Amino acid sequence: QVQLQESGPGLVKPSETLSLTCTVSGGSISSYFWSWIRQPPGKGLEWIGYIYYSGSTDYNPSLQSRVAISVDTSKNRFSLKLSSVTAADTAVYYCARVEATVRGVIIDWSSVWFDPWGQGTLVTVSS
Amino acid sequence: QSVLTQPPSVSGAPGQRVTISCTGSSSNIGAGYDVHWYQQLPGTAPKLLIYGNTNRPSGVPDRFSGSKSGTSASLAITGLQAEDEADYCCQSYDSSLSGYVFGTGTKVTVV
Repeated sequence: QVQLQESGPGLVKPSETLSLTCTVSGGSISSYFWSWIRQPPGKGLEWIGYIYYSGSTDYNPSLQSRVAISVDTSKNRFSLKLSSVTAADTAVYYCARVEATVRGVIIDWSSVWFDPWGQGTLVTVSS
Repeated sequence: QSVLTQPPSVSGAPGQRVTISCTGSSSNIGAGYDVHWYQQLPGTAPKLLIYGNTNRPSGVPDRFSGSKSGTSASLAITGLQAEDEADYCCQSYDSSLSGYVFGTGTKVTVV
C-alpha cells in the first residue's frame, strides 16, 4: 500500500522560498503522476500542480510564476518549491498521487482525482 | 479559489439519509467534467470517497453514493453513522481556470 509523507520547514519568512519534499513508500514513484495540494487555515483545498516521474509538469495558472515541482526517482520522492511567499501562502500542504480516467489508451486529463494523500504539513509564513 | 459551492454544514440523526450538494457552473460540472468526493476526518488528510461521479473505491461502504446532473453534483450518505462525522469536499476540473478545483467543503454532524 502506497504511503506518502511530507517533510520540510514549518516556518518560512516572507519573500523567501518554501521547499517541501514528499517521500513515497510502499511502491515506486515511476509510471505515476504526483501532485501538491494546499489548504489555508479554515479555507478550501487548492491544487498547486503535478509532475510525472519523467519530469513533465503542469501547474495551477494562478501559481505558475512562483511554483516548481521536481522529482528524484532514485530516492522515490518529489519536491515543491514556492518562491516569494507571503502570509497568504500559509497552509497545510499535502502531496498526493494522481489518478485519472483512461478512455481506451488515452488519459482524460479533465477527469483526475487524488488518491492517496500524505498526512499534510503546516507551513507558516511569518517573520 | 473555491468555484464549487457546498453548504457549510448538514446534520442528521443516526440511521438517517443526508445529501451534500456541490454547485458549479458551465466551465466545470456543467461542461460535463467528472466530480470526485473526499472525506476528511478531523485532523487527518482527505480520503477519496467517490471518483468519476458515481464510483466507490474498494473499502468505501455502499452507504456513500454520488450523482451528477446539470451544473451540480450530490453526495448521499444513507444509514448515517457517528463515524461519518467529518468534512466532505467535491472536486472537478474547470476549463476557464485550466485546473482542478475543489468545493468549499461541508461539515456533516451526526446529532
